[in-house]
Amino acid sequence: AQSVTQPDIHITVSEGASLELRCNYSYGATPYLFWYVQSPGQGLQLLLKYFSGDTLVQGIKGFEAEFKRSQSSFNLRKPSVHWSDAAEYFCAVGINYGGSQGNLIFGKGTKLSVKP
Amino acid sequence: NAGVMQNPRHLVRRRGQEARLRCSPMKGHSHVYWYRQLPEEGLKFMVYLQKENIIDESGMPKERFSAEFPKEGPSILRIQQVVRGDSAAYFCASSPNRINTEAFFGQGTRLTVV
Repeated sequence: AQSVTQPDIHITVSEGASLELRCNYSYGATPYLFWYVQSPGQGLQLLLKYFSGDTLVQGIKGFEAEFKRSQSSFNLRKPSVHWSDAAEYFCAVGINYGGSQGNLIFGKGTKLSVKP
Repeated sequence: NAGVMQNPRHLVRRRGQEARLRCSPMKGHSHVYWYRQLPEEGLKFMVYLQKENIIDESGMPKERFSAEFPKEGPSILRIQQVVRGDSAAYFCASSPNRINTEAFFGQGTRLTVV
């Protein structure tokens, strides 16, 4: 069965420090992969996505992620964290309906706190 | 182009009442997905619809929950005889009928059952 694991429930980093949020997935075919961010009481904003091609994906707000098929991972990185990055981050794998994105399977999320 | 619109943003219902959640997809989008987010949990897929068709309802509870996406008008998620455990945030997403395009999420409806 398809699944997404985000092993870190809560991470605290200092402002200006680098960040890596881990995501591992289980999916039988070539996955569609996503990272979303959610601020409290808000909807989800797409940070970046991987469908095919270059395995290093650039997103908004200075985030990037690398797809590693051999490790079934899609970790999110940012070289220097800003206080406004404090939020909850969700990794998701998209079920492929013949080339169109079907439903998403989400991880349980990683809550990011930023120390001044 | 307005984003995915969900209403109401907040909904309070007493146990046993019905809840109707609406989702207007982005213009030109013919695919709609509903997700539920329980406190301290990620989003769980409920149902995937195209116009007038349910494509995948594998995440829908077998009883009390139904969804539709008519030819005209918004998609509706209907919960009959709500119970306290239905309290959650319900998110709708939409996507166009093209390959390799992502879905866009609405702001969600937060349902509270009292």
